[in-house]
Amino acid sequence: AQSVTQLGSHVSVSEGALVLLRCNYSSSVPPYLFWYVQYPNQGLQLLLKYTSAATLVKGINGFEAEFKKSETSFHLTKPSAHMSDAAEYFCAVSDTGGGNKLTFGTGTQLKVEL
Amino acid sequence: DTAVSQTPKYLVTQMGNDKSIKCEQNLGHDTMYWYKQDSKKFLKIMFSYNNKELIINETVPNRFSPKSPDKAHLNLHINSLELGDSAVYFCASSDRGNTEAFFGQGTRLTVV
Repeated sequence: AQSVTQLGSHVSVSEGALVLLRCNYSSSVPPYLFWYVQYPNQGLQLLLKYTSAATLVKGINGFEAEFKKSETSFHLTKPSAHMSDAAEYFCAVSDTGGGNKLTFGTGTQLKVEL
Repeated sequence: DTAVSQTPKYLVTQMGNDKSIKCEQNLGHDTMYWYKQDSKKFLKIMFSYNNKELIINETVPNRFSPKSPDKAHLNLHINSLELGDSAVYFCASSDRGNTEAFFGQGTRLTVV
């Protein structure tokens, strides 16, 4: 069974500071990994995805993530936080074997302070 | 044009009632899903349909019955609603060969 673990249910950064949201995965097969963002009362929007191509993946809004097989990690980073980045972030792993089911982590609430 | 649209956005109902949530996607995808987000924001898949065929049913109570009249629509009917059914329900779609899922805005169901 596949799973993801997000360390830190709440992360707070200052505007302009580095954003680092952690995600570790467990998978018996090469995983497909995703980061989604959820703004209040909104649906989920894809930030970026890893599908076994380049290990450094660039996404929307200046976010990127690096797939590290040796560490089973897929941490999300952004060099400089903006107030508009405040949201809930979900890491997910896909079951490509049947139905493309997404298994989500428990989410990280990002707060950006002035 | 909304890619994945759900109706209604909010639904408040009494215990024991039966309710439906509708979902439509205009992306031409062949796979659709229902996910449930609980009060702690944990997201879990409930069902997946591919070309109107049920392919994932994640041990959801049989009070929940999905119906897919065509590959662009996946509706969720819930019988005998219980307090514990209160949650946000998300519809999503994807291509079978592309694992990226597009999500609707969610339906916030409150059972009182």
